[in-house]
Amino acid sequence: AQSVTQLDSQVPVFEEAPVELRCNYSSSVSVYLFWYVQYPNQGLQLLLKYLSGSTLVKGINGFEAEFNKSQTSFHLRKPSVHISDTAEYFCAVSKGFKTIFGAGTRLFVKA
Amino acid sequence: NAGVMQNPRHLVRRRGQEARLRCSPMKGHSHVYWYRQLPEEGLKFMVYLQKENIIDESGMPKERFSAEFPKEGPSILRIQQVVRGDSAAYFCASSPPEETQYFGPGTRLLVL
Repeated sequence: AQSVTQLDSQVPVFEEAPVELRCNYSSSVSVYLFWYVQYPNQGLQLLLKYLSGSTLVKGINGFEAEFNKSQTSFHLRKPSVHISDTAEYFCAVSKGFKTIFGAGTRLFVKA
Repeated sequence: NAGVMQNPRHLVRRRGQEARLRCSPMKGHSHVYWYRQLPEEGLKFMVYLQKENIIDESGMPKERFSAEFPKEGPSILRIQQVVRGDSAAYFCASSPPEETQYFGPGTRLLVL
């Protein structure tokens, strides 16, 4: 069975600083990996996904993530955050139709 | 191409009433998924449907909850005799077969 662990429940950071949101997963088979963002009272928006190929994945809004198979990690990074990046971020893993989500990391960007 | 649509966006029910949540998938998507998000938690899988078929309902509570995706019309998640613990955000996602899921804006259910 797959599982997803987001190591930080909250990450405060100053505007224009870099940020990394950590995600580790466990699975006995190859899986697909995703990061979603959820703004207050809204649905989930896909930021990026890893299906195969290059381990560095670029997404929307300047985010990127690196798939590390040996460490079973898929950390999300952005070199310089904006106030508008304040939101909840979810890491997810899927095999076939079933998608398992982490508990989420709340990113607070401070001026 | 409109995204996944859910209605209502907000729903208030008293204990014991029924709640019906609707989801219209993106055009061309034949697969629908329902998830529940409790406050301060991630999304939990409930059920996966294709047209007229329930493929996997392993995340659905055994009682009071049901889902359908008829040949015509939206997918419906139905909760009978709601209780306060049913208060949550319910998200629908749709996809083509074996591809990335796209999420709707959710229905926020409040049970008084």
